[in-house]
Amino acid sequence: QKEVEQNSGPLSVPEGAIASLNCTYSDRGSQSFFWYRQYSGKSPELIMFIYSNGDKEDGRFTAQLNKASQYVSLLIRDSQPSDSATYLCAVEADTGFQKLVFGTGTRLLVSP
Amino acid sequence: DAGITQSPRHKVTETGTPVTLRCHQTENHRYMYWYRQDPGHGLRLIHYSYGVKDTDKGEVSDGYSVSRSKTEDFLLTLESATSSQTSVYFCAISESGTGGNEQFFGPGTRLTVL
Repeated sequence: QKEVEQNSGPLSVPEGAIASLNCTYSDRGSQSFFWYRQYSGKSPELIMFIYSNGDKEDGRFTAQLNKASQYVSLLIRDSQPSDSATYLCAVEADTGFQKLVFGTGTRLLVSP
Repeated sequence: DAGITQSPRHKVTETGTPVTLRCHQTENHRYMYWYRQDPGHGLRLIHYSYGVKDTDKGEVSDGYSVSRSKTEDFLLTLESATSSQTSVYFCAISESGTGGNEQFFGPGTRLTVL
């Protein structure tokens, strides 16, 4: 059973701070990793994906991947109250059928 | 936003009745998925499709069936609804390409089984 683990939170940070969200996965063969944001009552929205070890930056978001340690993280710089949401980590489960395994999500609260 | 719609958006039904949820896409993507999302469990895959009439089971497929007769439509049927199937159901689509297997989600259907 392939697993993806996230701390459920809530992770509370003040406005303007860096929020750091972490995810570990069990399948050492996984190659693709995704971060989704989900506002309460809404559907998940893709923020970033990463395939290679290291960092990938997109605006205020940075995804970090360490395959040797089997973790992937998401950094949100200059956090805003509008970033308050649940962040889902997803890991490729089956390349042939484009299947993903999702973590249960970390709830982020950004206070003004 | 990816062109994905789900219908109905909300439904209340009674135990033992059949229910069909519809996912419609305008992106011509090959892969389509049905998930359910419950507190404490996250998103769990029910069934998926990798082409017209090509479907397979996911992690929590018991009590559900699917059909895909056209690229754009993926139907999820609860054969005899039970209270344990009260959940939020999301459809997602994906297309292989240079970006990999990113999935894009529809707005969801909130189903209550009384």
